[in-house]
Amino acid sequence: QVQLQESGPGLVKPSGTLSLTCAVSGDSISNNYWWTWVRQPPGKGLEWIGEIFHSGNTNYNSSLKSRVTISLDKSNNQFSLKVSSVTAADTAVYYCARCHIAVASYLCEYWGQGTLVTVSS
Amino acid sequence: SSELTQDPAVSVALGQTVRITCQGDSLRSYWGSWIQQKPGQAPILVIYGRNNRPSGIPDRFSGSTSGNTASLTITGAQAEDEADYYCNSRDSSTNHVIFGGGTKLTVL
Repeated sequence: QVQLQESGPGLVKPSGTLSLTCAVSGDSISNNYWWTWVRQPPGKGLEWIGEIFHSGNTNYNSSLKSRVTISLDKSNNQFSLKVSSVTAADTAVYYCARCHIAVASYLCEYWGQGTLVTVSS
Repeated sequence: SSELTQDPAVSVALGQTVRITCQGDSLRSYWGSWIQQKPGQAPILVIYGRNNRPSGIPDRFSGSTSGNTASLTITGAQAEDEADYYCNSRDSSTNHVIFGGGTKLTVL
């Protein structure tokens, strides 16, 4: 069974860098999927942050692109998210997910449990 | 612009049928998928493709698409179906992923 688990600091100082890792079990990140980060500010909806393909190709939300980096760690079967120059607006629950295209549909079938990151001094 | 538009809130009486809709041009490229999220829980995929349910999703959940509008139908809504529902798709021209704003379903 595929499982994803986010980890990282729950508190980040303003202007600092948010760093999270998503550990994948039951599947290989070298397989043909989009390994994805999504966030959800308190009381708000889901926001796509970006994704990385097994080849290393990335796509990022235009509104975050200048501050976001997603990378693969194949040796540990995990992928990571970095968001620089954070502000209180980056406070959110951060989810990692495994997504792909199948039967002419885009879908995210497996999600981590999410981790709350608070930006505060 | 690439957007998916949903009604913010919908209610249904227990045991009745409810349809939640999502409108956006990206739905002409890829079938939308539907995600259920209960308070404090991670999102769960409930419908994808023309009308596909992942393993474990009750068959009272169904989906359809016409033009640029996707619909999620719950036939015989149960109390446990009370949740936020998000539609999700991908813009084929930008390769960006889009979520609708979400619909809060209340089961009365």
